[in-house]
Amino acid sequence: DAMVIQNPRYQVTQFGKPVTLSCSQTLNHNVMYWYQQKSSQAPKLLFHYYDKDFNNEADTPDNFQSRRPNTSFCFLDIRSPGLGDAAMYLCATSIRGTNTEAFFGQGTRLTVV
Amino acid sequence: AQKITQTQPGMFVQEKEAVTLDCTYDTSDQSYGLFWYKQPSSGEMIFLIYQGSYDEQNATEGRYSLNFQKARKSANLVISASQLGDSAMYFCAMGTETSYDKVIFGPGTSLSVIP
Repeated sequence: DAMVIQNPRYQVTQFGKPVTLSCSQTLNHNVMYWYQQKSSQAPKLLFHYYDKDFNNEADTPDNFQSRRPNTSFCFLDIRSPGLGDAAMYLCATSIRGTNTEAFFGQGTRLTVV
Repeated sequence: AQKITQTQPGMFVQEKEAVTLDCTYDTSDQSYGLFWYKQPSSGEMIFLIYQGSYDEQNATEGRYSLNFQKARKSANLVISASQLGDSAMYFCAMGTETSYDKVIFGPGTSLSVIP
């Protein structure tokens, strides 16, 4: 059974048109992450939540926002997608601490046209 | 600041042979965890193995083992008896005591298993 679910798997959006990616989890983990991964690169952390506490990475553009209305759901909003925002977006969850792995969803591949 | 280095952009291995993927890390924290993930071409990130900084024994999970050398700050992944399905990107990652919510990734190594 899938534990971290991302919808949709593939998203095509127009340049400048707001888009929302969603992530849900059945693990009841207190930490949720959003990563951006461009082709042949490592995942880059955009931000994460510990419960409702939002932690933005210093180099995450303002164009990227996130919401976590409850433990199970987390959304990534891209306010005005540019061509450079085309990437795989990975959602992950974990329990706070250094000894637990992050569980990843299957990712959403975003294309900007 | 924490950093992960993987110096092998690409590796080839013959089917059924063993292969070692290198990972070195840098952190000033005393407590940290090291992870290896596999990412096939489908894009999903699959957790393989974990090593804690205070673990005295090297971690093993089936065909995967982690060669942890704390003094050298290295955490190499060893895959024994390679299979064609092992062809994928492999990422070394780390979470630390002071940034325990942040899991950072190395640049990855692309492994190709040759029949």
